[in-house]
Amino acid sequence: DGGITQSPKYLFRKEGQNVTLSCEQNLNHDAMYWYRQDPGQGLRLIYYSQIVNDFQKGDIAEGYSVSREKKESFPLTVTSAQKNPTAFYLCASSIGTSYNEQFFGPGTRLTVL
Amino acid sequence: AQSVTQLGSHVSVSEGALVLLRCNYSSSVPPYLFWYVQYPNQGLQLLLKYTSAATLVKGINGFEAEFKKSETSFHLTKPSAHMSDAAEYFCAVSEYNFNKFYFGSGTKLNVKP
Repeated sequence: DGGITQSPKYLFRKEGQNVTLSCEQNLNHDAMYWYRQDPGQGLRLIYYSQIVNDFQKGDIAEGYSVSREKKESFPLTVTSAQKNPTAFYLCASSIGTSYNEQFFGPGTRLTVL
Repeated sequence: AQSVTQLGSHVSVSEGALVLLRCNYSSSVPPYLFWYVQYPNQGLQLLLKYTSAATLVKGINGFEAEFKKSETSFHLTKPSAHMSDAAEYFCAVSEYNFNKFYFGSGTKLNVKP
């Protein structure tokens, strides 16, 4: 079955530690996205990538980093510079045109202890 | 930049009653519009999308939405609510030739027996 996988489902981290969230898709989509979701704030775009080896900052990129070395993978690193990292993180992918929907993974809930 | 407004962060209806979830966007150019549904601790699932074909769009699970350019609205409706419709609903907009989505803050739908 084609889809997007995110791992782990739940992640706990101590303050000051970097952590990497995994996102893999087998839909052969060119574009991939990372969103952060906080209660009552909808989805906010962290980073997006429209092609391998290229990515752009979204609206809240500070304290995060990404890489796009393979078409199917778009890992997100939450660094110690992110002031308030506890949130639900969603990865998405799309064919890459504005009229095509984004497909979402199941999400990773990150809690900083 | 686009903005999306969802009026009402919480909507409560009785089972069998009409569901109406409101979405307004800001754009001088007709955008592409989407409605997604999210169940607790899961990713988002596409309900329907408007891509400049028919203004009345039918989606999954009996939902539909009507694009009204004069009102810059894309409200989501369902004639008869079911208990399984209880979830959070997000309206999203993307701009022509620009591969980036803007999400509303979401509306939580509660269905009372």
